[in-house]
Amino acid sequence: SQTIHQWPATLVQPVGSPLSLECTVEGTSNPNLYWYRQAAGRGLQLLFYSVGIGQISSEVPQNLSASRPQDRQFILSSKKLLLSDSGFYLCAWSVEGSPRSYTFGSGTRLTVV
Amino acid sequence: SQKIEQNSEALNIQEGKTATLTCNYTNYSPAYLQWYRQDPGRGPVFLLLIRENEKEKRKERLKVTFDTTLKQSLFHITASQPADSATYLCALDLTGGGNKLTFGTGTQLKVEL
Repeated sequence: SQTIHQWPATLVQPVGSPLSLECTVEGTSNPNLYWYRQAAGRGLQLLFYSVGIGQISSEVPQNLSASRPQDRQFILSSKKLLLSDSGFYLCAWSVEGSPRSYTFGSGTRLTVV
Repeated sequence: SQKIEQNSEALNIQEGKTATLTCNYTNYSPAYLQWYRQDPGRGPVFLLLIRENEKEKRKERLKVTFDTTLKQSLFHITASQPADSATYLCALDLTGGGNKLTFGTGTQLKVEL
């Protein structure tokens, strides 16, 4: 069966520090992968998506970047965190073909202090 | 611009009643619409998908309708239970490319005894 792993579950980081969040998927090949952010009391904002290794599409200009070094691995990074980067970060995957539902990871609660 | 609108006010209903949540969208004719459930501190979980040529879709106590003329979807939970308390999100692919879902901000449902 397919599973998605996302870690860490919570993270408190000082302003200006780097960030690396990792997401891995098991049980499927060549998934579409997504990073979303959910600010407190707000909706899900799509940050990045990837349809294959090394292929990253950025949705909003920001302080973050994403990479897909392996087929089932998706990494969200920042060189220097800002207070506004705080939020709930969710990784998701979907299979090729339309329509497609998304399967989300358990999320990372990031607090920048 | 394209928007997805859900009632931001929480919906409180009594156990056993039918809960009805609304999702409206503008400036687009999606091929399908999806509904997700999100519990606090967790990632959204896929519930139902309805295509543009389907007026209604059912799954156990859940029913979704899709009116492409009104640009509206209704999500019903019949015989509601306290365990149904959660935030419910609708989602559309607003690009038509099949690669990215845009989510509404969600409506919080609370089912009281």
